[in-house]
Amino acid sequence: GAVVSQHPSRVICKSGTSVKIECRSLDFQATTMFWYRQFPKQSLMLMATSNEGSKATYEQGVEKDKFLINHASLTLSTLTVTSAHPEDSSFYICSARRQGHSYEQYFGPGTRLTVT
Amino acid sequence: QKEVEQNSGPLSVPEGAIASLNCTYSDRGSQSFFWYRQYSGKSPELIMFIYSNGDKEDGRFTAQLNKASQYVSLLIRDSQPSDSATYLCAVTRPGDTGNQFYFGTGTSLTVIP
Repeated sequence: GAVVSQHPSRVICKSGTSVKIECRSLDFQATTMFWYRQFPKQSLMLMATSNEGSKATYEQGVEKDKFLINHASLTLSTLTVTSAHPEDSSFYICSARRQGHSYEQYFGPGTRLTVT
Repeated sequence: QKEVEQNSGPLSVPEGAIASLNCTYSDRGSQSFFWYRQYSGKSPELIMFIYSNGDKEDGRFTAQLNKASQYVSLLIRDSQPSDSATYLCAVTRPGDTGNQFYFGTGTSLTVIP
């Protein structure tokens, strides 16, 4: 149990376009989902926390108008990178916290975004 | 001061030895402590979590927590080449949205056959 999927696993887009990444909890309901970004040889940096049915909370320095997060259901959260630029190229990973299990987070497999 | 600090390594141990990974954290309000393993190009996978002072064992892995010293460690017994990865320490503390994770930068472990 506790499987989280992400789609797509890899995406290449042109500068100025938008990209949507989906994060799904497959076998449990996730009240909270987290979005992280990881640059090469660096640790995970929390970008935002999303709770189902409410607005996401963004970490300091993360532009909420650029990284749009929607958590429309207990099993799906989406991250849209708007007007992507090459510096947005990174590994984006979501995680989900299982309803009733307050501390454990389960990570998706990640999405490798390359902006050309 | 970083929330969570780890020695970046690389740490190399021979196959069959004990690997010891260390992590310190700055906020005494931290409540829960996690060790994740991350292979290159992959997302982290949970190895162990610990909430209370002392040791917690799971197979070849032992997590040790000392809240007074704000220190958590992971011991890997009988290290295998497949244990070669980056190990991330994460801690939680109450936040506005409930228990955000704060990750260290990770320790790279290489187990030499």
